[in-house]
Amino acid sequence: DAGVTQSPTHLIKTRGQQVTLRCSPKSGHDTVSWYQQALGQGPQFIFQYYEEEERQRGNFPDRFSGHQFPNYSSELNVNALLLGDSALYLCASSRGLYQPQHFGDGTRLSIL
Amino acid sequence: AQSVTQLDSQVPVFEEAPVELRCNYSSSVSVYLFWYVQYPNQGLQLLLKYLSGSTLVKGINGFEAEFNKSQTSFHLRKPSVHISDTAEYFCAVTRNTGNQFYFGTGTSLTVIP
Repeated sequence: DAGVTQSPTHLIKTRGQQVTLRCSPKSGHDTVSWYQQALGQGPQFIFQYYEEEERQRGNFPDRFSGHQFPNYSSELNVNALLLGDSALYLCASSRGLYQPQHFGDGTRLSIL
Repeated sequence: AQSVTQLDSQVPVFEEAPVELRCNYSSSVSVYLFWYVQYPNQGLQLLLKYLSGSTLVKGINGFEAEFNKSQTSFHLRKPSVHISDTAEYFCAVTRNTGNQFYFGTGTSLTVIP
């Protein structure tokens, strides 16, 4: 039973570029949440998708956008990358909106 | 709004000694509480959760936590730690009407041989 899988594992971009990160939820899960974890910090909630709609959003600018597909997988897009966007981006999935979340191993994004 | 405070950023402890990692939360509504562990270069793994019922919650790897509503705390304990417990530990809270998790800044547990 595969858990939450994220791709790629590492990514290097330069300022101003755009990036897309991908997440496949754990089997049987239909809700996907994205988090940003800066070095030495706890994860910060970006947004959550359920039934292909953004249900909740944290305090992140519109440069951060997402999508959920019919198979429940999800993408996180970040435009106009800034140095401060360098972080570990974590995807978490759950069965429904109010259940414990299972995390993937994350995508390490470095901005040069 | 919810917030989580982990009072200790680093906790060194000798192998086979007991440990307590402290977590306090603030919320005006009922909450669910969680502890996650993060090993280097990995995502977060759920240790245990409090949703309702008994205030003493047992999790994986011999960890347990006690929900104290009057003190708004959810401290994590283990009676005897192993070298393999060395990791970053995060306390998290979510409202029982939503699923946005709020995480603390983490406690780095180092088990000394």
